[in-house]
Amino acid sequence: DGGITQSPKYLFRKEGQNVTLSCEQNLNHDAMYWYRQDPGQGLRLIYYSQIVNDFQKGDIAEGYSVSREKKESFPLTVTSAQKNPTAFYLCASVDIPSSGNTIYFGEGSWLTVV
Amino acid sequence: GQNIDQPTEMTATEGAIVQINCTYQTSGFNGLFWYQQHAGEAPTFLSYNVLDGLEEKGRFSSFLSRSKGYSYLLLKELQMKDSASYLCAFTGGGNKLTFGTGTQLKVEL
Repeated sequence: DGGITQSPKYLFRKEGQNVTLSCEQNLNHDAMYWYRQDPGQGLRLIYYSQIVNDFQKGDIAEGYSVSREKKESFPLTVTSAQKNPTAFYLCASVDIPSSGNTIYFGEGSWLTVV
Repeated sequence: GQNIDQPTEMTATEGAIVQINCTYQTSGFNGLFWYQQHAGEAPTFLSYNVLDGLEEKGRFSSFLSRSKGYSYLLLKELQMKDSASYLCAFTGGGNKLTFGTGTQLKVEL
């Protein structure tokens, strides 16, 4: 079945470490997004990509980095520069964002700093 | 810039009707989504409005006024399982998909 897969589900990071969250989709979607969600809050856009080898900063890109070397994959790296990374992270994809077609979400990744 | 606003929380009674409002400002606008999200889970799609007017889908309806930058989600015959966060979102210029902060709805007996 087609879908979008995030991993890991739970991740612990030590102070000063970089960690990478994986997002893979087999839906042939061009557009992919990363969101951060803090408890009781909405989704805040970190980065998004419309096509391979291209991506744009969202509203809270500082301390994060992404790559889009393949259409199926859009990994997010949480760098040591991100001072408060503990949150729920969601990856999403859609074929044509302006079409109203279904936006697919991964199951999310919980990142905790220890 | 882009901005989207919705109430933080609402409480309603089982069997009643509730309306959740969403206002937005953006230089480019394609359409407006409504999503439902239970804590710790991914959002699930409820509706998408492109044109002005009301779209009805079972117990859920969504309204859009593009000229006013305003939308609402109407939930009828509320059930306890409708207790969740409701997120409005729009696609704007450059296919940027922006979500609101969400409205936490609590349904009581």
